[in-house]
Amino acid sequence: GESVGLHLPTLSVQEGDNSIINCAYSNSASDYFIWYKQESGKGPQFIIDIRSNMDKRQGQRVTVLLNKTVKHLSLQIAATQPGDSAVYFCAENPPGSGYSTLTFGKGTMLLVSP
Amino acid sequence: NAGVTQTPKFRVLKTGQSMTLLCAQDMNHEYMYWYRQDPGMGLRLIHYSVGEGTTAKGEVPDGYNVSRLKKQNFLLGLESAAPSQTSVYFCASSYLGGTSGLKQYFGPGTRLTVT
Repeated sequence: GESVGLHLPTLSVQEGDNSIINCAYSNSASDYFIWYKQESGKGPQFIIDIRSNMDKRQGQRVTVLLNKTVKHLSLQIAATQPGDSAVYFCAENPPGSGYSTLTFGKGTMLLVSP
Repeated sequence: NAGVTQTPKFRVLKTGQSMTLLCAQDMNHEYMYWYRQDPGMGLRLIHYSVGEGTTAKGEVPDGYNVSRLKKQNFLLGLESAAPSQTSVYFCASSYLGGTSGLKQYFGPGTRLTVT
């Protein structure tokens, strides 16, 4: 799993800080977006999703913001914990895929220091 | 409920050898997917299936074949392995199409090295 992190953008934060991970998506017609967390040596794990008719959606300690004007998605993690250290991927449902596939971004590594 | 399982977890092949990766899910999901993950590349879709007996090509299908003979299983085959196929392979499944079904559940991955 350690090779997943090579050459990735990295965000380093202190425990207790709020983290913001950004993602630019490619297609203005995409209407569904999703965030995954991948810990070292494991498969991606669902965090939160949002449809294009929403600007914001909140989960437990996480918030996703969608700005369709500039094709930007962000994941906010409140009170970041060492267990949040992982690679985070955004994904979009590309138009024409018939709601069957996701296109993933390259990921951002989040490092949380105690 | 085991979720999505993958067999094997690790494998080393010589160039030209063949192998099959097995994915199984016990969630009665209709859709299943195979991805590869390379450093700095994110997840790239190889092939997917929207139901038993169906398969479709993804972004990087060349050099791979798949079969979905049973709803719960999705097999990924490499007929003649090449060093470029060294990667971590992930299987995923989702309930059904539509935005409510796009949440994919991933297996733990198979690390394949081709020498």
